[in-house]
Amino acid sequence: AQTVTQSQPEMSVQEAETVTLSCTYDTSESDYYLFWYKQPPSRQMILVIRQEAYKQQNATENRFSVNFQKAAKSFSLKISDSQLGDAAMYFCAYRYRYSGGGADGLTFGKGTHLIIQP
Amino acid sequence: EAGVAQSPRYKIIEKRQSVAFWCNPISGHATLYWYQQILGQGPKLLIQFQNNGVVDDSQLPKDRFSAERLKGVDSTLKIQPAKLEDSAVYLCASSPTAGTVSYEQYFGPGTRLTVT
Repeated sequence: AQTVTQSQPEMSVQEAETVTLSCTYDTSESDYYLFWYKQPPSRQMILVIRQEAYKQQNATENRFSVNFQKAAKSFSLKISDSQLGDAAMYFCAYRYRYSGGGADGLTFGKGTHLIIQP
Repeated sequence: EAGVAQSPRYKIIEKRQSVAFWCNPISGHATLYWYQQILGQGPKLLIQFQNNGVVDDSQLPKDRFSAERLKGVDSTLKIQPAKLEDSAVYLCASSPTAGTVSYEQYFGPGTRLTVT
């Protein structure tokens, strides 16, 4: 079974600075997807960024980018120019590639609480 | 486009009572998921439906939890009888089809259950 580990329960960064959140995972699959989700106090889970395992290029979405190291099974999230609205819980998640009607629920890590200091 | 709707938003019950949560997915989404998120942890998948059929319920405690998705649209998750350890946020999510690469799962606001 696949597992996702986030070793940083809490991170703090000054507004406008850059922060990196870490994630490692374990799987025997070769074709899968990795995600970062943001969960503010409202509890709404919001997709931040997605990475397909077969792509070597790291995904980027505006101020958010990832460092995907497939051999090391590492998937970190970098947030540049941190803003107060970035404060939230961040979850790393895994999903193996669909193949013929199989289950595709997400496996989540325990999360990292990101604090933005003004 | 309306998002995933869930009700109630909050529920407090005593142990051994029963409770039900309701989810209305985004219109046209074939796949529906229920996740349990215990405080301090990431969400854990309980059950996945495609249309009105169960795709995965391997982590659903079937002695007390049940779920249904009649007519392949709305879904209800029930707990009977509830235990203290069932206190959690229950998240519902939907996606257009099962497992298609380019489709993400859209989450509802969740129901926070407290069992006393």
